[in-house]
Amino acid sequence: TQLLEQSPQFLSIQEGENLTVYCNSSSVFSSLQWYRQEPGEGPVLLVTVVTGGEVKKLKRLTFQFGDARKDSSLHITAAQPGDTGLYLCAGVPTGTASKLTFGTGTRLQVTL
Amino acid sequence: NAGVTQTPKFRILKIGQSMTLQCTQDMNHNYMYWYRQDPGMGLKLIYYSVGAGITDKGEVPNGYNVSRSTTEDFPLRLELAAPSQTSVYFCASNIQGAGNNSPLHFGNGTRLTVT
Repeated sequence: TQLLEQSPQFLSIQEGENLTVYCNSSSVFSSLQWYRQEPGEGPVLLVTVVTGGEVKKLKRLTFQFGDARKDSSLHITAAQPGDTGLYLCAGVPTGTASKLTFGTGTRLQVTL
Repeated sequence: NAGVTQTPKFRILKIGQSMTLQCTQDMNHNYMYWYRQDPGMGLKLIYYSVGAGITDKGEVPNGYNVSRSTTEDFPLRLELAAPSQTSVYFCASNIQGAGNNSPLHFGNGTRLTVT
């Protein structure tokens, strides 16, 4: 059983298109983090969302934490080839020890 | 700063062999973690440590052992390699526990194949 489910699993789009990646759970999280991983490297943190309903922007990336703190989304505007990679959400369920749980991942490919 | 350094980058083992995956960090982080990443499965926590001399199991600890004799080093030991342990292994560290929203810093991984 996967605590954090991401969708879609794979996404192939052309440069300039918009896309949204979802991270869903039936559990409540004190916070959620989003990471991006490129081939042959470890994941790198993009953002942490803490408050229910919070929206954070990182250039063309917009992150939202659900009001109930059970889900999050990542929206990319005008995707570029440099956005290609594996996007992972991760969080610590409330009431558990400090062990970060990762989602299943969304592999994004942006072509010219 | 080198950050988190993992060695080796690649390794092929025969069933039943043993090996140690090395991980060292130079950021003086208290918390260190070992994850494995299988295709389409995200990352699964194997073991973690909240400081020198203290380790604890994660989600998938069977078949692995760890030690934390210093703040910098957190080696992962496979005693009797099995094909199910074929995976990419990532070591990570952070200054505070994940519950404090402290970002994880990852190494570049060790790709292990057991045949």
